[in-house]
Amino acid sequence: ELKVEQNPLFLSMQEGKNYTIYCNYSTTSDRLYWYRQDPGKSLESLFVLLSNGAVKQEGRLMASLDTKARLSTLHITAAVHDLSATYFCAVNYGGATNKLIFGTGTLLAVQP
Amino acid sequence: GAGVSQSPRYKVAKRGQDVALRCDPISGHVSLFWYQQALGQGPEFLTYFQNEAQLDKSGLPSDRFFAERPEGSVSTLKIQRTQQEDSAVYLCASSAGAHQPQHFGDGTRLSIL
Repeated sequence: ELKVEQNPLFLSMQEGKNYTIYCNYSTTSDRLYWYRQDPGKSLESLFVLLSNGAVKQEGRLMASLDTKARLSTLHITAAVHDLSATYFCAVNYGGATNKLIFGTGTLLAVQP
Repeated sequence: GAGVSQSPRYKVAKRGQDVALRCDPISGHVSLFWYQQALGQGPEFLTYFQNEAQLDKSGLPSDRFFAERPEGSVSTLKIQRTQQEDSAVYLCASSAGAHQPQHFGDGTRLSIL
C-alpha cells in the first residue's frame, strides 16, 4: 500500500525566511505532484516531477525529487504572506487508475 | 467556464437523507475522479471513470456510496442514508487521459446534521 507522509504538519515562519517541506512516500511511483490549497478553495497545481533529480522552480517555490530516497522537497525562499496556504504532495499510484495518494498537508502561515 | 464545475457548493442534509453531488468535467476530458477530503486531511480517492466506464471504485467507503457517468461527461456521486461521518468536502477532478495532470473543481462541502 502506498503511503505518503509530509512534515512538518504546521509551519509558522516569518517573512523573508527560508524553509523546506518534506514529502516521503513508501513505494515506487512515476510522478509526484505539489498542490496548494487556500481555505475553502480547491487544489491548485504547482509542480509535476517526473524523474529522479527533477527540479522545478516558480517564483519563491522550488520543488525537487529523489526517487531513490522516495523523497520530494518543497523549498520556500524569502517567504511572503501571500504564500500562506496548505501545501500537499501527492504521488501517482500508477496502474490503470492513475489515482493520486495525498499526504496530510502542511499548513504554512507566514507572519509579517 | 473552462474549469471543472461542481454543484452544489454547499449541501446540508439530515442524517438518513440521500444526497446527489454533480461534477461537470473539463470538456473533452476522458478521465474523471472523485475524492473525499475530511477536515484537516488530504483528499482520499473514492472512484475513477474513463469515459462512462467506472474502472476503479476501491475507495468508496460503503455500499451507500454510488457514482455514475452515463454519457462519459457529467458525473454524479450519490450517497444514500447519509451518516455524520459522511461530512466532508467532495472533490471532483478530470484529466485529458491517463497520466495527464488532474484538474480539480472547487468541491462540494457536505454537512450531515
